[in-house]
Amino acid sequence: QKEVEQDPGPLSVPEGAIVSLNCTYSNSAFQYFMWYRQYSRKGPELLMYTYSSGNKEDGRFTAQVDKSSKYISLFIRDSQPSDSATYLCAMSEGGGSEKLVFGKGTKLTVNP
Amino acid sequence: DTEVTQTPKHLVMGMTNKKSLKCEQHMGHRAMYWYKQKAKKPPELMFVYSYEKLSINESVPSRFSPECPNSSLLNLHLHALQPEDSALYLCASSQEAFSYEQYFGPGTRLTVT
Repeated sequence: QKEVEQDPGPLSVPEGAIVSLNCTYSNSAFQYFMWYRQYSRKGPELLMYTYSSGNKEDGRFTAQVDKSSKYISLFIRDSQPSDSATYLCAMSEGGGSEKLVFGKGTKLTVNP
Repeated sequence: DTEVTQTPKHLVMGMTNKKSLKCEQHMGHRAMYWYKQKAKKPPELMFVYSYEKLSINESVPSRFSPECPNSSLLNLHLHALQPEDSALYLCASSQEAFSYEQYFGPGTRLTVT
């Protein structure tokens, strides 16, 4: 079983839809949970991060972490065509000695 | 300024060529990284520099040679590459090594012919 599982999609939604992106993981030592957005032919951009369990909201984006289920989600409200990108989840044990473990990424297209 | 810059944006090289990729950040970050990303795959860590010293080499072949001339610059020297080395090479930086908050550059798209 891979450490981080992420459905690669592709996911296609109409403009204005609520989008749910998810990752599951197996390493219970993960403490930091990140979502990166990567536009085509660009580098990943840190969108949100969460420490341990809970929710975090930033504008139209909400990140949720459920450590008991080893499951994280990113919700995008009122999705826009400019949200069309690949979304990568990433996780880290923290402690200054462990690398980020990335999911494979989910390709999202928001249609006008 | 939260920007990491990389040059060149695109590079085509033959298997006998020697070339270098460059990365620069001015955020005062003490850790810099090289990642390799193949199409439809997540980034794979290659090297980590912390306080200008190489702290991690993820078993990368010696045809890739990193260099950190100072805290703002990171180079990746390429020599005798193989076609399977064609990929997007990403540079990233963070305050400290292995911080969850890494800032990525736009990448150099490398094609080896």
